[in-house]
Amino acid sequence: EAAVTQSPRNKVTVTGGNVTLSCRQTNSHNYMYWYRQDTGHGLRLIHYSYGAGNLQIGDVPDGYKATRTTQEDFFLLLELASPSQTSLYFCASSDGAGYTEVFFGKGTRLTVV
Amino acid sequence: GDSVTQTEGQVTVSESKSLIINCTYSTTSIAYPNLFWYVRYPGEGLQLLLKVITAGQKGSSRGFEATYNKETTSFHLQKASVQESDSAVYYCALGANTDKVVFGTGTRLQVSP
Repeated sequence: EAAVTQSPRNKVTVTGGNVTLSCRQTNSHNYMYWYRQDTGHGLRLIHYSYGAGNLQIGDVPDGYKATRTTQEDFFLLLELASPSQTSLYFCASSDGAGYTEVFFGKGTRLTVV
Repeated sequence: GDSVTQTEGQVTVSESKSLIINCTYSTTSIAYPNLFWYVRYPGEGLQLLLKVITAGQKGSSRGFEATYNKETTSFHLQKASVQESDSAVYYCALGANTDKVVFGTGTRLQVSP
């Protein structure tokens, strides 16, 4: 069965801190995505990738970096975390572009104090 | 660009009553987009509930139905009799000939006993 695993599931950091969120998919999918979920805003796309070494800018990229090291692994980096980045983050994968089903991880709740 | 609108942020329905969650979409794609409903149960990631790729067709799953209406650009989610276990957040989504699926803001369904 398709699987997307995120770690950690919960994280608390201080303002200005450095955070890395990890995501691994075992679906052999080309596309991977990072979203943030905030009440009233729905899912907003931060960055995405269609293969190892590739990175595409999403709709809300400011303050975030991402890196796709292998087909399976996609990382989201917050180098100077701010309270506005407190959110629920989802990683996802799909085997095609917008027409296909997207498979999601269970989410990482990040709190920046 | 493409967009999806869900007007209700939260809906409360009594158990065994009917449900409708509204969704309208807008797209600049020449081709008709694929339309999706995803559901997120507490502590879980989003998962696909149903998908319709042809205008005029109806999709169904777990007692939920949605009809792709290209005239009104709508894809409302309906269920005749809800159960407590249906309490979750429901997202309408659109996929066209791009790298990204566009999600609505989500509707939280609370089913009261």
